[in-house]
Amino acid sequence: AQSVTQLDSHVSVSEGTPVLLRCNYSSSYSPSLFWYVQHPNKGLQLLLKYTSAATLVKGINGFEAEFKKSETSFHLTKPSAHMSDAAEYFCVVRGSPGGGADGLTFGKGTHLIIQP
Amino acid sequence: DGGITQSPKYLFRKEGQNVTLSCEQNLNHDAMYWYRQDPGQGLRLIYYSQIVNDFQKGDIAEGYSVSREKKESFPLTVTSAQKNPTAFYLCASSNNRGLIYEQYFGPGTRLTVT
Repeated sequence: AQSVTQLDSHVSVSEGTPVLLRCNYSSSYSPSLFWYVQHPNKGLQLLLKYTSAATLVKGINGFEAEFKKSETSFHLTKPSAHMSDAAEYFCVVRGSPGGGADGLTFGKGTHLIIQP
Repeated sequence: DGGITQSPKYLFRKEGQNVTLSCEQNLNHDAMYWYRQDPGQGLRLIYYSQIVNDFQKGDIAEGYSVSREKKESFPLTVTSAQKNPTAFYLCASSNNRGLIYEQYFGPGTRLTVT
């Protein structure tokens, strides 16, 4: 079984300050991990993915995430928030290697608010 | 441009009517998925199909039906048996090769049933 927990339902930061969105996971297998972003009334867009090649993963729009196996975490960060970053962010884990419904489990999402 | 299209963007129906949501992809992906999104609940899997003419129930299939007659198309019908159909519906596809593939999402259809 696998699960993913996004530790904050809402995060509010000022424009130009760092962003931290927290995600913890559990998996019986060596997982693949993803962060997606969703702007209002839009589909989900892939920000980045962890595939075991490197623990620090760089994504689009200046986001990055670090896989920490000992902490079972995959937190998303950005050094400087921009107004356009305001959106919903989803942490996703694929714990089982394929099969069934693709083995994906979605977190409940973190709503990122950017204050001017 | 390759991608996934969903139509319509907004859909309104009266209670008791069936309604079909369209999903088309030109990414040549084998697998396609339907998710339902409700506020604060993330995404929940309704149905998925890994190959043409085959599909499987997801976690919340009751009140929904699908077909997969073509690789490019995976329509979802919300039937009158679905007790709470108002939601945002997302279609996705993936190329299930190896272990590191991601799902690509369409723009979604917001269904309101009154």
